[in-house]
Amino acid sequence: GIQVEQSPPDLILQEGANSTLRCNFSDSVNNLQWFHQNPWGQLINLFYIPSGTKQNGRLSATTVATERYSLLYISSSQTTDSGVYFCAVELYSGGGADGLTFGKGTHLIIQP
Amino acid sequence: GAGVSQSPSNKVTEKGKDVELRCDPISGHTALYWYRQSLGQGLEFLIYFQGNSAPDKSGLPSDRFSAERTGGSVSTLTIQRTQQEDSAVYLCASSLAGRAETQYFGPGTRLLVL
Repeated sequence: GIQVEQSPPDLILQEGANSTLRCNFSDSVNNLQWFHQNPWGQLINLFYIPSGTKQNGRLSATTVATERYSLLYISSSQTTDSGVYFCAVELYSGGGADGLTFGKGTHLIIQP
Repeated sequence: GAGVSQSPSNKVTEKGKDVELRCDPISGHTALYWYRQSLGQGLEFLIYFQGNSAPDKSGLPSDRFSAERTGGSVSTLTIQRTQQEDSAVYLCASSLAGRAETQYFGPGTRLLVL
């Protein structure tokens, strides 16, 4: 099956810092989503971005589909940005299951 | 509008008992997904419904797991003869029409098998 690798696994930053999270995937995809899992376990949609660049406030994301990677940028970090960030993809060919394959996540801690 | 809802929020059961988990997708969403999040396995896909049919059930962990969807809306995931390794958070998601669309997740059901 498709492999999804996220880096770094853990990241500790001071409030106000910027960060870049990376997601590499092993095959062509027709769906790529970034999620933030809050301390209560809720998966919050950040971006649907199988290709191109999008921005939403302090967050932006870029997916280079031909090179099979996506980047999530967080600027001017706040303590509320803490949590686990997941990248998830769906195979272009569909395979058998049609579900999202998740990476292991990046655990981000923003210190005041 | 309302998001994906799941019930119960938490479930504690004894090994060997059956449990039923419920998912209400976003109104009008035809595609519905079940996932499981556990410490050892991370987030894994279980099953997908388009309308009331599930084209592929191979993602279900064992034959103790089953799922159904009726009326193109509510879905139930049933685990028979629960085992301790079934302890996990079970997440449901829905999307408007299926492939290559944003999936929206519910808050999950936290299952603990004693």
